[in-house]
Amino acid sequence: GQSLEQPSEVTAVEGAIVQINCTYQTSGFYGLSWYQQHDGGAPTFLSYNALDGLEETGRFSSFLSRSDSYGYLLLQELQMKDSASYFCAPKAAGNKLTFGGGTRVLVKP
Amino acid sequence: EAQVTQNPRYLITVTGKKLTVTCSQNMNHEYMSWYRQDPGLGLRQIYYSMNVEVTDKGDVPEGYKVSRKEKRNFPLILESPSPNQTSLYFCASSLQNTGELFFGEGSRLTVL
Repeated sequence: GQSLEQPSEVTAVEGAIVQINCTYQTSGFYGLSWYQQHDGGAPTFLSYNALDGLEETGRFSSFLSRSDSYGYLLLQELQMKDSASYFCAPKAAGNKLTFGGGTRVLVKP
Repeated sequence: EAQVTQNPRYLITVTGKKLTVTCSQNMNHEYMSWYRQDPGLGLRQIYYSMNVEVTDKGDVPEGYKVSRKEKRNFPLILESPSPNQTSLYFCASSLQNTGELFFGEGSRLTVL
């Protein structure tokens, strides 16, 4: 079957580092995407990992281990504007992305 | 500007009154999809389309219809809306075989 797990909420202070873990069980797995969604806004694409390893894009990095069915999103040098929900979304055949409930990140001053 | 446009953005309607939420993209994307977002449930896929005249059910298709007569448009049809279809709806598009979806701004639908 299909399953997806990520923490529901994380709180951290400005300047800190936050790691959001994601474990999945996805038939026909292709890769793992990450999206950010601010309250009242639409999800926006952050990263996509098709291969094992770490991908870095500015302050955000994403990691994938296909053998462990595990990935994480690393948010560094947290800023207030990073307060949002973050979704991991495994991609399967047919371009199908499955979104979980997301992780709400609250950044405090 | 590359974008996905949904209309209406907000709608309050009554049970049983047919409605259509339009979605249009200007990026020449083959793939388009509809999601609904409810508190605590994340984004759930309703229908998707791999290309013109090719549509398929997602995870929660009951009560919805779609069509893909042109590449740029992918309307979502609620033939007989019910209160359990009150939700925030997102249309999204992408090139084939990428993990990058481009989302519209969302359509908040309330069915009384």
